[in-house]
Amino acid sequence: DSGVTQTPKHLITATGQRVTLRCSPRSGDLSVYWYQQSLDQGLQFLIQYYNGEERAKGNILERFSAQQFPDLHSELNLSSLELGDSALYFCASSVGQGAIVYEQYFGPGTRLTVT
Amino acid sequence: TQLLEQSPQFLSIQEGENLTVYCNSSSVFSSLQWYRQEPGEGPVLLVTVVTGGEVKKLKRLTFQFGDARKDSSLHITAAQPGDTGLYLCAGSPNDYKLSFGAGTTVTVRA
Repeated sequence: DSGVTQTPKHLITATGQRVTLRCSPRSGDLSVYWYQQSLDQGLQFLIQYYNGEERAKGNILERFSAQQFPDLHSELNLSSLELGDSALYFCASSVGQGAIVYEQYFGPGTRLTVT
Repeated sequence: TQLLEQSPQFLSIQEGENLTVYCNSSSVFSSLQWYRQEPGEGPVLLVTVVTGGEVKKLKRLTFQFGDARKDSSLHITAAQPGDTGLYLCAGSPNDYKLSFGAGTTVTVRA
């Protein structure tokens, strides 16, 4: 158990819909990272927040957005869903800002299926 | 195009055999990481290598960072079924965004 929690574990929805994925970081961690893992693209970095502020952006679509709240939990919002958005979405947390200097602890993931 | 290329994509061996997984790039990295991911779980960090030419050992796992800091390898000695999983290398040229290789799926048969 990494100490990072993600809900829900599974999500099935239809094209065009909007969903929200939730992540609670390990106690004491200030950074939250979101990743998408699919069979064809592998594990791709989406976005990072540090202490409530956006710090780094990766290959995140405009239809996707995220935020980190004052209690440090984070939400990833996915809208106008397409079949290609079906993937595993992971949240990771670390104590500091650096992507590699500070070890990232990954949650168990949310499996999103768009039908 | 992946910043980090891993090979082979799949590896299936018998318990007790040795295996090596490679991670290559045309870019220089300040450090590289290796993760293992088991089905239904998130990746777990195994090691970070930071110095060119560095060799790190974790029980039966040996990690090497290339002299030019563009490549790395993971060698497992006397593999066991518990070593089965997806092995991912990851790096960040500037400690800004972590890029992952496509992964090597290792299956160790009992």
